[in-house]
Amino acid sequence: EPEVTQTPSHQVTQMGQEVILRCVPISNHLYFYWYRQILGQKVEFLVSFYNNEISEKSEIFDDQFSVERPDGSNFTLKIRSTKLEDSAMYFCASSELDRNQPQHFGDGTRLSIL
Amino acid sequence: RKEVEQDPGPFNVPEGATVAFNCTYSNSASQSFFWYRQDCRKEPKLLMSVYSSGNEDGRFTAQLNRASQYISLLIRDSKLSDSATYLCVVNGGGSYIPTFGRGTSLIVHP
Repeated sequence: EPEVTQTPSHQVTQMGQEVILRCVPISNHLYFYWYRQILGQKVEFLVSFYNNEISEKSEIFDDQFSVERPDGSNFTLKIRSTKLEDSAMYFCASSELDRNQPQHFGDGTRLSIL
Repeated sequence: RKEVEQDPGPFNVPEGATVAFNCTYSNSASQSFFWYRQDCRKEPKLLMSVYSSGNEDGRFTAQLNRASQYISLLIRDSKLSDSATYLCVVNGGGSYIPTFGRGTSLIVHP
């Protein structure tokens, strides 16, 4: 069964550093998403991406965040200057045809900011 | 204002029991509804979509009540492997920002 893959599985970074999280969505999927989950809290939507542009973003997704699809397979989330409160699990997801379809999640990147 | 609410539990049930969870949502224009399960420190995994007519997948039955704005999940003949957190997800209705509930914890014991 095709799956969403994320790298790295764990990223440790000093506060103020830039970090890039990588995802390879399922190949025939058209919508891509990033979520975060702070330990013990609920999953929070960050951004959705379709046709090479952002289609929706939440209040969390401020100027420190950006997304990119640099080639035909990768989908990246960049945090420019990390803060302690960015420590969380970051999940990438994709869905097939439209935004009302179920999403399939990668197994996440645990980001630890020191 | 909480958009998607779930009873956090935990629901502690013996193997073989039937257990039901509800999830309420505040946006009456919401269009799509899902149940996911999440094991500790793992990614959410899709359990089932929820349709207005109700749908069943083996031991799992999901229902949508638009009038009262809630969805439900019924698990029959609980297994130890059903122990997890069950997440309700609501989407659509003005914006396509999927909203997750905090999840309901289920513990199935021998």
